Amino acid sequence: DQQVKQNSPSLSVQEGRISILNCDYTNSMFDYFLWYKKYPAEGPTFLISISSIKDKNEDGRFTVFLNKSAKHLSLHIVPSQPGDSAVYFCAASDNSGRGGADGLTFGKGTHLIIQP
Amino acid sequence: NAGVTQTPKFRVLKTGQSMTLLCAQDMNHEYMYWYRQDPGMGLRLIHYSVGEGTTAKGEVPDGYNVSRLKKQNFLLGLESAAPSQTSVYFCASSNLFRGESYNEQFFGPGTRLTVL
Repeated sequence: DQQVKQNSPSLSVQEGRISILNCDYTNSMFDYFLWYKKYPAEGPTFLISISSIKDKNEDGRFTVFLNKSAKHLSLHIVPSQPGDSAVYFCAASDNSGRGGADGLTFGKGTHLIIQP
Repeated sequence: NAGVTQTPKFRVLKTGQSMTLLCAQDMNHEYMYWYRQDPGMGLRLIHYSVGEGTTAKGEVPDGYNVSRLKKQNFLLGLESAAPSQTSVYFCASSNLFRGESYNEQFFGPGTRLTVL
């Protein structure tokens, strides 16, 4: 059973517009969420994260929103730029047990394509 | 700083052969992880380590063994490779806290393994 779901395998957005990537989770024990960006033939790189005690975190063009009651989070990129074309992974961790050292649970990823 | 490095970058094995993937990090991180990524899938945790001399099973540990004899190195072994182990393998490391971020994992560039 997939605990972190990214239901859109791909998303195409025009340059300069807003990109919205969505992620749903089922495990209510998840209390920290991260977004990673991945280019082909490279490892994922950390983008932005949010704790479950917050509902929004912003870093430059990137904002993550968390709706705990709906078990849903989203990543907003505005304005979208050509260099944002990549695969974006949503990840979650349960820090209640061993303090988060047990690794991350990833979604399948969304391929974002920024059209010129 | 090189960050997280992985050796080799590519490898082709025959069924039944063995090999070891090496991960090294120079960030003095306590925690290290091995993930695999298959087409259309997110990253799945194979094994992880919360410190030198310790290892633990992740989501998909069968067919793999690991060792963490030195803090900076984490080895992933395949004793008898199978075609189902054809995948891209990523190593990651972290300390639990970094600034305001929690369990931000730093990834290596990956090892692409094909088992014939």
